[in-house]
Amino acid sequence: SQKIEQNSEALNIQEGKTATLTCNYTNYSPAYLQWYRQDPGRGPVFLLLIRENEKEKRKERLKVTFDTTLKQSLFHITASQPADSATYLCALDGDDKIIFGKGTRLHILP
Amino acid sequence: GAVVSQHPSWVICKSGTSVKIECRSLDFQATTMFWYRQFPKQSLMLMATSNEGSKATYEQGVEKDKFLINHASLTLSTLTVTSAHPEDSSFYICSAREGLGRYQPQHFGDGTRLSIL
Repeated sequence: SQKIEQNSEALNIQEGKTATLTCNYTNYSPAYLQWYRQDPGRGPVFLLLIRENEKEKRKERLKVTFDTTLKQSLFHITASQPADSATYLCALDGDDKIIFGKGTRLHILP
Repeated sequence: GAVVSQHPSWVICKSGTSVKIECRSLDFQATTMFWYRQFPKQSLMLMATSNEGSKATYEQGVEKDKFLINHASLTLSTLTVTSAHPEDSSFYICSAREGLGRYQPQHFGDGTRLSIL
């Protein structure tokens, strides 16, 4: 069956360290993968898109990797700050629509 | 840029009431809009996809007669939950995509918290 899996447990990271979130998928062949941030009671906010032929994408303190062999994307936040605390969702294009993972809650501890 | 406005933010109403939720793209034309439902600590579940001027495409298991979607213009889509019941209580979120390109990201509204008593 098709699945998108993100760390189900919350991730606690000390301020200033790098936070790394994982997104694994099975039985999809996405042309791209996206990462969104969602705060409680708010809609998701688009962060980054990485295409299947790209290994890595960066935007300020954010870095995304995409390994189509491992069927995995890693999302990194460097020099993390308490304001980075949120739920991060990965999403991929599957069957002509965007499919979202459940998200990983990230807590940056001051 | 790319702002999507969703209204209302909160709705509390009695069972049997019909509720309309609006989704507007404020500074771009949205050729495609999407409606999602999200339960606590769960992923966004796509309910339907709507293209301006045509009928919405509903996902399997979503009742089209219960969740009426209208995409009358390139900047407005509405979702009407007809004869709402407590099990319809959820967080409903719309998103809009600018252009027809496959790699265009979606821009989301801030959602509508629907509580049916």
